[in-house]
Amino acid sequence: GESVGLHLPTLSVQEGDNSIINCAYSNSASDYFIWYKQESGKGPQFIIDIRSNMDKRQGQRVTVLLNKTVKHLSLQIAATQPGDSAVYFCAEKGAQNFVFGPGTRLSVLP
Amino acid sequence: GAVVSQHPSWVICKSGTSVKIECRSLDFQATTMFWYRQFPKQSLMLMATSNEGSKATYEQGVEKDKFLINHASLTLSTLTVTSAHPEDSSFYICSSQVYQETQYFGPGTRLLVL
Repeated sequence: GESVGLHLPTLSVQEGDNSIINCAYSNSASDYFIWYKQESGKGPQFIIDIRSNMDKRQGQRVTVLLNKTVKHLSLQIAATQPGDSAVYFCAEKGAQNFVFGPGTRLSVLP
Repeated sequence: GAVVSQHPSWVICKSGTSVKIECRSLDFQATTMFWYRQFPKQSLMLMATSNEGSKATYEQGVEKDKFLINHASLTLSTLTVTSAHPEDSSFYICSSQVYQETQYFGPGTRLLVL
């Protein structure tokens, strides 16, 4: 089923440090994964995606790692900046449509 | 590319009135559009999935007569909250998708029912 309304876990990181946001997915048949960033009062924004035939993909300051063995997805943000403060959602796609994770709130400390 | 717009971005209405929210994919044709609802500090909750020209598929617990969805074209879907009540106050977000690939989200519509 789709994500349910849950209160979000929070990750606090010092400005300039690297952030790692984790996501456990449920369907071993999922073959496509996306990370979204949602700032307060805005809709989710696509950050980076990865297909199941890869285990790592890099973007600008972001890296997504996929471990299919343990059904784990992570988003790494290098040199975290205040503008990175947001809620981050992972999404997995299998035979049906996307299923979203509960989200993690990233707070960047000065 | 892949821009999705929503209108209005903010709406305040009296209890008992109906509110229509538009979702448009501006630079692509979406085979599927989704409507989500989000309460403060909570995750996205899928309300319904709609394909152009077809009836929307509603998630369990979402009243189809309360939340009317019309997907008239490949670039436009509307959500009408009928006889809105204060408990319907929320952040409504649409997304558009092409052939089961990436979903692109709109900026959201904040609804406040007084």
